[in-house]
Amino acid sequence: LAKTTQPISMDSYEGQEVNITCSHNNIATNDYITWYQQFPSQGPRFIIQGYKTKVTNEVASLFIPADRKSSTLSLPRVSLSDTAVYYCLVGDMQNNNDMRFGAGTRLTVKP
Amino acid sequence: EAGVAQSPRYKIIEKRQSVAFWCNPISGHATLYWYQQILGQGPKLLIQFQNNGVVDDSQLPKDRFSAERLKGVDSTLKIQPAKLEDSAVYLCASSLGRGPYEQYFGPGTRLTVT
Repeated sequence: LAKTTQPISMDSYEGQEVNITCSHNNIATNDYITWYQQFPSQGPRFIIQGYKTKVTNEVASLFIPADRKSSTLSLPRVSLSDTAVYYCLVGDMQNNNDMRFGAGTRLTVKP
Repeated sequence: EAGVAQSPRYKIIEKRQSVAFWCNPISGHATLYWYQQILGQGPKLLIQFQNNGVVDDSQLPKDRFSAERLKGVDSTLKIQPAKLEDSAVYLCASSLGRGPYEQYFGPGTRLTVT
């Protein structure tokens, strides 16, 4: 079971790029990396997922180095509405039943 | 496309009482999850179903929690008897299947045990 480590909290200002790094030193060959976002009083929402190198969608980018022992979620030009908790999960490609949410990173975007 | 539905949204019970939560996943989603989220913590997986079979219930307190997914669609999570430490938000999620599929979460049920 790959364990993840993230900063507990981060602060940023509107318009800045935010990078949240997740450490997963014992990631397995079959594991992929997924990030979720959670606003207060809502369930988590999928942001992005990747296995290696770089993945980009309309919301974020995910950078995964060659050793895959860490990953970085990049949020371009954040706004106040990006204030949320961000979770990094690592899980087996064959099934989801060993994916675990950690405490997440609480991002606060200030005006 | 309708999202994951859960009911009730809020529930207040006294300790030792029983409570049940209902979840209707997104149509066609084979995999259903129940999570417990205590205030300030990340969601904790309680049980995972693939169609109507359980694939992981290793973190479900089976002495008081039970869950079923009859006919592989709707699911019910029950707590009997409830304890104070069961106060939490209970989240239901569904995905197309096991593996690298996005999980879609419902709004959750906030349970308060007094």
